Amino acid sequence: DARVTQTPRHKVTEMGQEVTMRCQPILGHNTVFWYRQTMMQGLELLAYFRNRAPLDDSGMPKDRFSAEMPDATLATLKIQPSEPRDSAVYFCASGPRRNSGNTIYFGEGSWLTVV
Amino acid sequence: KNEVEQSPQNLTAQEGEFITINCSYSVGISALHWLQQHPGGGIVSLFMLSSGKKKHGRLIATINIQEKHSSLHITASHPRDSAVYICAVGYKLSFGAGTTVTVRA
Repeated sequence: DARVTQTPRHKVTEMGQEVTMRCQPILGHNTVFWYRQTMMQGLELLAYFRNRAPLDDSGMPKDRFSAEMPDATLATLKIQPSEPRDSAVYFCASGPRRNSGNTIYFGEGSWLTVV
Repeated sequence: KNEVEQSPQNLTAQEGEFITINCSYSVGISALHWLQQHPGGGIVSLFMLSSGKKKHGRLIATINIQEKHSSLHITASHPRDSAVYICAVGYKLSFGAGTTVTVRA
């Protein structure tokens, strides 16, 4: 049963620490998304990759956030240094080729708390 | 103004009732998604629509591209349908604020 796998599922860290979240997209999917969900803002796009190339990271605070796909099976989202306002659920999603008519699949999310 | 507007924001129904959630969007799109999120849970894609109507079990989704409007219907609602339902448009997904549905037994 193919699924998107995210780690860690839960993370509590102190302000100023580096946080790295990882995502394994579904095998064969060439598009990967990172989203953030907060009570105030709802779901927002942070970054979007196709064939491992970043196509849109306009939703990401550039001074502290970075997103990469070192290979087709791994996407990472890094926050350095972390701040309390980064507390949120971070979702990774993957999808097949654009306009293929298929939907996208979400991971279970990484619940981040920065204290 | 958000590109995607959902209504209602909250909805409470008795078990067995018919539920409708509406979504209006302001941009041209190739596809619209209906997503479901249970409390504390992940997000599941229920439907992806580009035209017409789709049905899956007790769930029906419709879209009118000309009017930029979509609806999600739940027939014979059940307490396990209690969740947040989110409309999202476009390939990268612009999200509505979500509709919190509570179905009482």
